[in-house]
Amino acid sequence: QVQLQESGPGLVKPSGTLSLTCAVSGGSVSSSHWWTWVRQPPGKGLEWIGDIYHSGTTNFNPSLKSRVIISIDKPKNQFSLNLNSVTAADTAVYYCARVVDLSGWFFDYWGQGTLVTVSS
Amino acid sequence: QSVLTQPPSVSAAPGQKVTISCSGSSSNIGNNYVSWYQQLPGTAPKLLIYNNNKRPSGIPDRFSGSKSGTSATLGITGLQTGDEADYYCATWDSSLSAGRVFGGGTKLTVL
Repeated sequence: QVQLQESGPGLVKPSGTLSLTCAVSGGSVSSSHWWTWVRQPPGKGLEWIGDIYHSGTTNFNPSLKSRVIISIDKPKNQFSLNLNSVTAADTAVYYCARVVDLSGWFFDYWGQGTLVTVSS
Repeated sequence: QSVLTQPPSVSAAPGQKVTISCSGSSSNIGNNYVSWYQQLPGTAPKLLIYNNNKRPSGIPDRFSGSKSGTSATLGITGLQTGDEADYYCATWDSSLSAGRVFGGGTKLTVL
């Protein structure tokens, strides 16, 4: 059973950088899957942020691309999200998840999510 | 504003059937597979349907998915109070908003 666990600061100051890590257990980030970040502002819907493959190839939501870096650490079996120049609009629960591609793609395993608040 | 349109809410009585629509275009649903997710209050989303109509192991056959043209539908039969949740569709979009996209979500109330 694959498990994902997000970690990182719960409070970030405006204009700062949001940094989160997703630790993967029961599976390997070097497997044939993409690893993704999704966020959900309070009371709102899901928004895809971007994802990474073990080769280092990334995909990003065009609306966030200029502010996002996603990296992968194979020895530690984890991947990370950095979102810079944050504002209150970036306050959200951030989820990491695994992407399966079987002709069509889908998210099969999700972390429990972590709330990040942007405030001074 | 999502490129995939879902009704904000639907409701039905226990034991009844409900459908949730997800409307898109040729740049997303029309040419890509759709997946559906259930999000119970305060929890992470959970995969319900993948590749338009496939159920992962452990998902009861009360849940079904279909796709026709540029729209997809999630069906739930034999409604239970435990089905009260938010439901999201997702697919790939190849337009200017290229990438993985979600519908806006539908709140299911079991009366």
